[in-house]
Amino acid sequence: GEDVEQSLFLSVREGDSSVINCTYTDSSSTYLYWYKQEPGAGLQLLTYIFSNMDMKQDQRLTVLLNKKDKHLSLRIADTQTGDSAIYFCAEESNTGKLIFGQGTTLQVKP
Amino acid sequence: GAVVSQHPSRVICKSGTSVKIECRSLDFQATTMFWYRQFPKQSLMLMATSNEGSKATYEQGVEKDKFLINHASLTLSTLTVTSAHPEDSSFYICSARDGGQGSAFFGQGTRLTVV
Repeated sequence: GEDVEQSLFLSVREGDSSVINCTYTDSSSTYLYWYKQEPGAGLQLLTYIFSNMDMKQDQRLTVLLNKKDKHLSLRIADTQTGDSAIYFCAEESNTGKLIFGQGTTLQVKP
Repeated sequence: GAVVSQHPSRVICKSGTSVKIECRSLDFQATTMFWYRQFPKQSLMLMATSNEGSKATYEQGVEKDKFLINHASLTLSTLTVTSAHPEDSSFYICSARDGGQGSAFFGQGTRLTVV
């Protein structure tokens, strides 16, 4: 079956790097996504990676994909207080639907 | 990037009434839209896949007669929560794919409170 797992909580100091990890089970996933959700708001697409890529960098965000281990990570460089939110990873099944992890709450301390 | 607009953002209704939530793709056509539900401090769970011009595909455990989905055009899908009860109170989010980009974009979400 399809399953996505994330750690639930991460706390970092402002200026440090944050690394949020995610594992998934569906080896046929085509795209893997990272979304950000601020309190009471919808989901904001941060970045995505195609399954045949190992890495994708977009400004402060770096996504690493280890397809063999089915492991995905999101690194946020120079984390700011405005980065405090819940981060969801998601895999896209071959039917187009997304399977989400439980979400990782990122707390950024000044 | 592509924009998905969801309306209303918040709604309070009485038990037994029905509520309609709209999801629009503003700058692209979406043959498929997805409806998710999120309970407090939990992840999003897919409720159903909305297909333009045909019946929606519901996930296991989701009552199709309670959560009516209509996808009448390539830019609009609606979710109607019928005979709402307090346990239907939740955050409902829709998403649509911009086929050219291959990524899914989400609406702002609707906070439904049934009193």
